[in-house]
Parts: sequence; C-alpha cells; structure tokens
Amino acid sequence: EVQLVESGGDLVQPGDSLRLSCTASGFTFSNYWMSWVRQAPGKGLEWVANIKQDGSEKYYVGSVRGRFTISRDNAKNSLYLQMNSLRAEDTAVYYCAREYCGGGGCYRSFHHWGQGTQVTVSS
Amino acid sequence: DIVMTQSPDSLAVSLGERAIINCKSSRSVLYGSNNKNYLAWYQQKAGQPPKLLIYWASTRESGVPDRFSGSGSGTDFTLTISSLQAEDVAVYYCQQYYSTPWTFGQGTKVEIK
Repeated sequence: EVQLVESGGDLVQPGDSLRLSCTASGFTFSNYWMSWVRQAPGKGLEWVANIKQDGSEKYYVGSVRGRFTISRDNAKNSLYLQMNSLRAEDTAVYYCAREYCGGGGCYRSFHHWGQGTQVTVSS
Repeated sequence: DIVMTQSPDSLAVSLGERAIINCKSSRSVLYGSNNKNYLAWYQQKAGQPPKLLIYWASTRESGVPDRFSGSGSGTDFTLTISSLQAEDVAVYYCQQYYSTPWTFGQGTKVEIK
C-alpha cells in the first residue's frame, strides 16, 4: 500500500524558515516524480513544486520560486521542502503527492496523497 | 498560466439523482501527439486529503465507483455523478497537467438536497 507521511509543519513568524519532510513507503520511491501541493484555510488546491526521480529537474509555482527549495533523498525514501522567507500567505496545509507514471511516461496527475502537515505563518 | 474555471461553485442534488460539474480551461489541454487530454478530477471530503477520481479526462482511477465519469476535450470538461450517494458529499476539483504550473479549478461543493 502506498503511504506518504508528511511532517515538519509548525507555527512560525514571518521571515522564518521551515523544512517539511515526506516519508514514502509501499512503492519504489526513486521511480516517481514527486510534488508538494498546498491548501490555504478554506481555499482550493495550489501546486507548489515538483522534482524528477533523480532530482535533476525541479519546477516551482511563481509565488514560491526563489524562496522554496524542493529536494529528495532516494536512499531514505524522503521528499523535502525547504521554505525560507515565509509569509502569511504561505499559511496552508502542505501535502506530499506522488505523480503518475505509466504508458511509457510520467505525468503530473496526483495519484497518491499524504494526510498533510499544517504550516502557519503569523506574528 | 492555464486558468481552470469550474461551474457551479456549489450544487445540491437529491440522493439518487445526477450531479454534473463543469470545468473550463483557458487554453486547450489536448496534446496533439498522443490525443490525450491532460485533465484530472479529484474529490476532497471534509478533513481529508484529495483523492484522484479521473485522469486523462475520462479514465477512472482503480477502485473509483462507476457512477463517476469524466468527459470532454480541449477546453471543456464534465464530471458526472450518475446517482448521488450520501458518501459523495465533498468538494470536487479539476486540474490540468498540460503545462506548468499545474493548476486546479476553484472547486465545486456537492451537497444533498
């Protein structure tokens, strides 16, 4: 069974840094692109960043580019999100999600999700 | 960025009746080389993470009841729940994965009338 477990969420002040982790099990982690998706309180879903299987390609939504860094450690089956210069508008539940690979390619639909970790940025 | 717009924002349907949710993309998400629409649908129940229902616009994810179906192509898509059950109360999102940044619709809340 595919399992994704996020951790690291916290209450922090504007300008602070935070590192989120996602531990994967039940599948070969190194075979899949992985993403972070967030959801602000009472709002919809927003894709944040994703990373290729070997970490050689990374993509970000414009609002976090230059402040957030996605990374992975395939030996530890782990995905990370380093968040710097946090703002109030970064307050959200952050989900780790596994993308789809099949039919000879990999695509950005999110077939498995973790339960999420809460990040609150407030003074 | 591709903007995804869902309609309606909410709808109330009687048990056993049909629910229809529309999703419109600001640009086509049909990839010509493989004739696939890069469009997915998700269900999110209160307090839970999203769950994938449909991908490639009309392919049902394993384990998803067949009362859920997806249709459409290019810029206009529909999620249909053929016979609404109590457990289908949720917010539904469409998402395009044609071009980065991958974007979601604003969500449609489905309730029981």
